[in-house]
Amino acid sequence: AAGVIQSPRHLIKEKRETATLKCYPIPRHDTVYWYQQGPGQDPQFLISFYEKMQSDKGSIPDRFSAQQFSDYHSELNMSSLELGDSALYFCASSLATLRGRNTGELFFGEGSRLTVL
Amino acid sequence: DAKTTQPPSMDCAEGRAANLPCNHSTISGNEYVYWYRQIHSQGPQYIIHGLKNNETNEMASLIITEDRKSSTLILPHATLRDTAVYYCIVRAQYNNNDMRFGAGTRLTVKP
Repeated sequence: AAGVIQSPRHLIKEKRETATLKCYPIPRHDTVYWYQQGPGQDPQFLISFYEKMQSDKGSIPDRFSAQQFSDYHSELNMSSLELGDSALYFCASSLATLRGRNTGELFFGEGSRLTVL
Repeated sequence: DAKTTQPPSMDCAEGRAANLPCNHSTISGNEYVYWYRQIHSQGPQYIIHGLKNNETNEMASLIITEDRKSSTLILPHATLRDTAVYYCIVRAQYNNNDMRFGAGTRLTVKP
């Protein structure tokens, strides 16, 4: 079965550079989520989108932005990168059911590892 | 304040049942208990969720106490591949507030 696809899997950037991560949800899934996981930490929710609209917002820095496109894929844009942005970034997708809300069963991708030097 | 409390780590012998506890004493009536796990550096994986009745699927069983203040995730025959961090999360099922992962339990299955 098709899973959540994230690209690139690995990315190395310098401080103050910009990075873009992409997420392709499971076909027919209409909701995407972004999580950040620093070394030795638990996944932290950043932001989510349902039908191309922001659904929920967590601890996403102002330097980061994200959007969901008409084909439901999503991109996380990170600017003015800092050393502390080095982390695994996970995307997840789900299928909304009741009035655009989800059941809580999220399907995660394998993550994109960002290293900021 | 954390909605759930889990032991930081547990060990289990291979082939035996792994029982992972979770306390959620402030759970609201419309909130479900969800369990996810994360095998080292992989994306979290949904396991199971429930409201008040016990639930079972191909991966695990979820036992929720009658007062709903605690629950136990049971892996009936743990294997080495079940070694992971297990997260217990409380959330309303149909909710625009998404999954927040707190401190989970690191389960180590030993041969």
